[in-house]
Amino acid sequence: AQSVAQPEDQVNVAEGNPLTVKCTYSVSGNPYLFWYVQYPNRGLQFLLKYITGDNLVKGSYGFEAEFNKSQTSFHLKKPSALVSDSALYFCAVRPQGGYSSASKIIFGSGTRLSIRP
Amino acid sequence: SAVISQKPSRDICQRGTSLTIQCQVDSQVTMMFWYRQQPGQSLTLIATANQGSEATYESGFVIDKFPISRPNLTFSTLTVSNMSPEDSSIYLCSVVGQGHPNTEAFFGQGTRLTVV
Repeated sequence: AQSVAQPEDQVNVAEGNPLTVKCTYSVSGNPYLFWYVQYPNRGLQFLLKYITGDNLVKGSYGFEAEFNKSQTSFHLKKPSALVSDSALYFCAVRPQGGYSSASKIIFGSGTRLSIRP
Repeated sequence: SAVISQKPSRDICQRGTSLTIQCQVDSQVTMMFWYRQQPGQSLTLIATANQGSEATYESGFVIDKFPISRPNLTFSTLTVSNMSPEDSSIYLCSVVGQGHPNTEAFFGQGTRLTVV
């Protein structure tokens, strides 16, 4: 079965320190990979995506993610955390394929990021 | 990108009643998706709504409980029928960029439903 795993329910980081939110996936072929952020009482906001090419992709708000095909991982990173980064983060995967299957996104369980001042 | 408006943003409903959630997109899209996010949980796809045809439901979701309308390429509704407290969740509408399956999904701000 196709799945996305976010092994950490919560990540706590001090402001100014680097942060990493982990994501691994189990999908056949070469999937499309995404990160979304959800602030309280808000919908999901797109952060970044990996489609092909350079394994390090840069996104919104200073976030970046590193794709590692051998480890089937797509970890989210930021060099220096801000208190305002505190939110719920979702990793997501869309398997490649026909249009209908390509449109179906599989979400991880989410990781709550807490940045302390 | 697509701008998605959902209404209502939140509601408190009595058990046994029904609530219809509206989703309006600022551009024409082929597919619209409805998700449920239970408290503290991830997103679960309820169904995919295509214009001019019946919605396609995921395992565990049925049309009688979650009827969906898709009258045109910019609008859809999801009804949560005969509600129980277990239906208390955030319901999210989503669309995918047109023409390219590798584009990201866009989400409405969600409807926070509490059933009492």
